[in-house]
Amino acid sequence: AQKVTQAQTEISVVEKEDVTLDCVYETRDTTYYLFWYKQPPSGELVFLIRRNSFDEQNEISGRYSWNFQKSTSSFNFTITASQVVDSAVYFCALSESDSGGYQKVTFGIGTKLQVIP
Amino acid sequence: EAQVTQNPRYLITVTGKKLTVTCSQNMNHEYMSWYRQDPGLGLRQIYYSMNVEVTDKGDVPEGYKVSRKEKRNFPLILESPSPNQTSLYFCASSLRGRGYTFGSGTRLTVV
Repeated sequence: AQKVTQAQTEISVVEKEDVTLDCVYETRDTTYYLFWYKQPPSGELVFLIRRNSFDEQNEISGRYSWNFQKSTSSFNFTITASQVVDSAVYFCALSESDSGGYQKVTFGIGTKLQVIP
Repeated sequence: EAQVTQNPRYLITVTGKKLTVTCSQNMNHEYMSWYRQDPGLGLRQIYYSMNVEVTDKGDVPEGYKVSRKEKRNFPLILESPSPNQTSLYFCASSLRGRGYTFGSGTRLTVV
């Protein structure tokens, strides 16, 4: 069965510090997708990134970067120069996809990030 | 505006009184799904649908029903709600393999 582990339940950093949120996953499939979502205090869930299992290139989007390593089954998320607006709960998720279009998505329990001014 | 619309946003009901939470998307997405969010448990999938008339159970389907008669709608039905179904519910939709677009959530309290 697929599983997503976010071992850090809560992290506090001072503004402008860099922070890395860890995500480790388990799956038996060779084809899968990984995601990160942000849930700010207002409660909505915001899609941040999708990565498929065949693409191990790291990605950078502004202050956000993602490190996907199949060898360690990890998909870590780094925020550079954190800001108060980054305070949120961040979820990592795994979706298995097969030729039939089956899509079962499993979320981690989330990491609550608090950025202190 | 592309969006997933859930209604109601807040609902307080009594044990055993049937209720429906509606979900509609305007993006022509094939996939739709329902999740519940509980403290310390993250988001758990209740049911999902790959297309019209195609639905399947997620991790926590007990006590819930869904239907997908039209592509845009995916209502969540609680035939006989119980207090352990008090939770924050999210509906989501996506194209195959893409990230979900989530609704704003429905906070349900069953007393």
